[in-house]
Amino acid sequence: DTAVSQTPKYLVTQMGNDKSIKCEQNLGHDTMYWYKQDSKKFLKIMFSYNNKELIINETVPNRFSPKSPDKAHLNLHINSLELGDSAVYFCASSQDPDGAYEQYFGPGTRLTVT
Amino acid sequence: LAKTTQPISMDSYEGQEVNITCSHNNIATNDYITWYQQFPSQGPRFIIQGYKTKVTNEVASLFIPADRKSSTLSLPRVSLSDTAVYYCLVGDDSGAGSYQLTFGKGTKLSVIP
Repeated sequence: DTAVSQTPKYLVTQMGNDKSIKCEQNLGHDTMYWYKQDSKKFLKIMFSYNNKELIINETVPNRFSPKSPDKAHLNLHINSLELGDSAVYFCASSQDPDGAYEQYFGPGTRLTVT
Repeated sequence: LAKTTQPISMDSYEGQEVNITCSHNNIATNDYITWYQQFPSQGPRFIIQGYKTKVTNEVASLFIPADRKSSTLSLPRVSLSDTAVYYCLVGDDSGAGSYQLTFGKGTKLSVIP
């Protein structure tokens, strides 16, 4: 059983398009996250959701919007894609948002904007 | 916001003990310190977590000095399969319902036969 899954695994699209990445976790966790990993392998948190409420919103462009239809899903919508959005995006989940519990990461979605 | 600093890369021979240190000078009182391992084309994977002193599990040990401004991940007798990037993560509970999680920039460990 996959604990945290993401779709698609690869996404190639042109500048200006709108795209979504889906994430699902079957661990019963209350908190889910989105991270961006750039070409230098730096991991930066973008959003986290706890019980369907946004609790962290880093300084990301408002072209990025997380949507959580239920506790098990946290999707990432990106509007008007730019070249700089090319990266690997990871979804993760944890039992609690306070850093005291380990995070389980998905396999990542490699986004390439051309 | 707690910021973390760790070495960019390290090399080690098989069978040796490897220690990777992460500095987090501004860690808050209630921050935990967590270490993750990442292989190419995979998501990070939890290794170990601690709050103070020493924590040991089946794969690693984590040493945290009394001032908690740094932490050291210790991997005993590394093998080729330990070649990966290792990240420290510090959580910061600001106490106002806002949580900040900061990953270090990662240490690329290369194990040499």
